[in-house]
Amino acid sequence: EDKVVQSPLSLVVHEGDTVTLNCSYEVTNFRSLLWYKQEKKAPTFLFMLTSSGIEKKSGRLSSILDKKELFSILNITATQTGDSAIYLCAVPFMDSNYQLIWGAGTKLIIKP
Amino acid sequence: GAVVSQHPSWVICKSGTSVKIECRSLDFQATTMFWYRQFPKQSLMLMATSNEGSKATYEQGVEKDKFLINHASLTLSTLTVTSAHPEDSSFYICSAQGSTYEQYFGPGTRLTVT
Repeated sequence: EDKVVQSPLSLVVHEGDTVTLNCSYEVTNFRSLLWYKQEKKAPTFLFMLTSSGIEKKSGRLSSILDKKELFSILNITATQTGDSAIYLCAVPFMDSNYQLIWGAGTKLIIKP
Repeated sequence: GAVVSQHPSWVICKSGTSVKIECRSLDFQATTMFWYRQFPKQSLMLMATSNEGSKATYEQGVEKDKFLINHASLTLSTLTVTSAHPEDSSFYICSAQGSTYEQYFGPGTRLTVT
C-alpha cells in the first residue's frame, strides 16, 4: 500500500532554533515529492523534489531527497514565530490523475 | 507564477440554497484540478478530481449530485453545492495541477450554511 509518513507529528521549539522535519514514503512509480506549509488557510507550495541529493533552498528553508532510503527532510534555520504552521509532505500517485498521497503533517510551533 | 484563486473566499447561505465556488489558475493552464474539503483541525480530504472537458471523478462517499463540478476551460473549475445544509458547512479548497504533477492550492472558500 502506498503511504507517506511524517515525523514528528508535533514539534515545539524556541525562536532561533533549527528544526528538521522528516518525510518517508513508499509509493509505486515514485516521481516527485512535494512540501507544503499550511497556516490558517490552504497549503502553500514550498518545494518539489525529484532528484536525490540535490538541495532545494528558499531563504531559511531547505529540503533534500534521498531516493535510495525513500525519505526527504525539510530544514528550517533561525526559526521565527511566523514559521509556526503545519508542514505537509505529499507524493503524486501515478494513477491517471496524479492525486497526492499526503502525510499527516508536522505541526510546528515556534515560541518567542 | 502558479497562482490559483478562489471566489468567493467566504459565503453564508440559507439551508436549501445552492452555492457556486470558482477556482481559477491565473497564470498557467491546468488540465486537472482537485477539490478538497477540510474540517477544523483535520487534514485535507479529497472530494473529486476534475479534468477539463470530461466528467469529474468523485471519491468514495462524496455525492456527485450534491457537489456538482464543472471544468469547462483550462483555467476554470467550479464546484456547486446544491441544496446546501448546515452539515455542508466547511472549508473548500481547490488545487490546480502543474506540468510536473505538483499542485498549487487556492486560498480556500469558507462556506457557512445557516
